Amino acid sequence: QVQLQESGPGLVKPSQTLSLTCTVSGGSITTGTYYWSWIRQPAGKGLEWIGRIYTSGSTNYNPSLKSRVTISIDTSKNQFSLILSSVTAADTAVYYCARERRVEWLRFFDYWGQGTLVTVSS
Amino acid sequence: DIQMTQSPSSLSASVGDRVTITCQASQDISTYLNWYQQKPGKAPKLLIYDASNFETGVPSRFSGSGSGTDFTFTISSLQPEDIATYYCQQYDDLPFFGQGTRLEIK
Repeated sequence: QVQLQESGPGLVKPSQTLSLTCTVSGGSITTGTYYWSWIRQPAGKGLEWIGRIYTSGSTNYNPSLKSRVTISIDTSKNQFSLILSSVTAADTAVYYCARERRVEWLRFFDYWGQGTLVTVSS
Repeated sequence: DIQMTQSPSSLSASVGDRVTITCQASQDISTYLNWYQQKPGKAPKLLIYDASNFETGVPSRFSGSGSGTDFTFTISSLQPEDIATYYCQQYDDLPFFGQGTRLEIK
């Protein structure tokens, strides 16, 4: 059974950099055809896809966040990471990592982490 | 970017009711649409993929239909455990979610 677990600081100061890591267990991050994504959800609001990385290292980002986001992967540790720079209070949210499975033309998020709350505040 | 318009934003229904949620895409996305259920404090859970296909283990009272720009998610007989927020998600291009529909028991 694949499991994803987010980790990182729960409190970040405004203008600083948010950094989170997702550790994948129960399977290799390089096995199969998957994208590895970050998704966030402000309290009481909807889901916002942030970006994703493939095992090759290729990335896609939400255009609304692209200038501030970097997603990387460390296959030796079975982890992928999110860096979001120049944060403001609007970046306060629960951050999820998720696996996006690819089967021919199909794509869907089939495994999610439990989510981690990141608060941006001085 | 492809925009998804989901409605209603909230819905109150009685146990046993038929519940319908719609999702409209800003352009043709074929059947590249998924539906998720999110219960409070939990991560979303995939229910329907490719507009109408059931994820393994999903109760048959849940169903999805549609293609092109207009999609529908239906619960044929609402159960108390179905109280959650439901999201559509397109994957024709980058994956984006609808705004969500919060479902409550009347």
